[in-house]
Amino acid sequence: DQQVKQNSPSLSVQEGRISILNCDYTNSMFDYFLWYKKYPAEGPTFLISISSIKDKNEDGRFTVFLNKSAKHLSLHIVPSQPGDSAVYFCAASADNYGQNFVFGPGTRLSVLP
Amino acid sequence: DTGVSQNPRHKITKRGQNVTFRCDPISEHNRLYWYRQTLGQGPEFLTYFQNEAQLEKSRLLSDRFSAERPKGSFSTLEIQRTEQGDSAMYLCASSLGQGLIPEAFFGQGTRLTVV
Repeated sequence: DQQVKQNSPSLSVQEGRISILNCDYTNSMFDYFLWYKKYPAEGPTFLISISSIKDKNEDGRFTVFLNKSAKHLSLHIVPSQPGDSAVYFCAASADNYGQNFVFGPGTRLSVLP
Repeated sequence: DTGVSQNPRHKITKRGQNVTFRCDPISEHNRLYWYRQTLGQGPEFLTYFQNEAQLEKSRLLSDRFSAERPKGSFSTLEIQRTEQGDSAMYLCASSLGQGLIPEAFFGQGTRLTVV
């Protein structure tokens, strides 16, 4: 059973519009969340993170929202650019879960020019 | 290049053979992770080192898998008696920090194909 779920395998968005990528988790002990971006033939690249003491973290065009009661987080990219086309992984961890991250299966984002 | 380096990038081996992969983390990073990724899935945690100490191992890591990080620098992951189910991308990541879980920086991975 997946503890971190990304129910949309793919998403297509027009350039300049908002991209919203969703992630749900089941383990209530998770208290730290990260988003990674992966291009083909490359390793995942860290994008943005959020601690459970916050409900929002923003870095340039990227904003992550956390809804702990719903065990849901989302990544907003505004405005979307063709270079954002990649696979996005949501990952979660917990202080008492060890030092490893649990990753979701990923969502492939395509930003169309 | 000061990123995480993994060698080889690709490895094709016959079933039953042993393979060894190497990871060179970012030089000042004290934490090193190994993950495995199969098609359509996210990376799955295998094992974690803090300096030279292997602190965590996933139950996914069978007895055929062994990892080392001598002197707390580079790490090797060995798979003995490879099986077709071992075919995957093996990712290494490193991070710096104590306490709060920091973000990890990943290498490009080693793609293993067992034929």
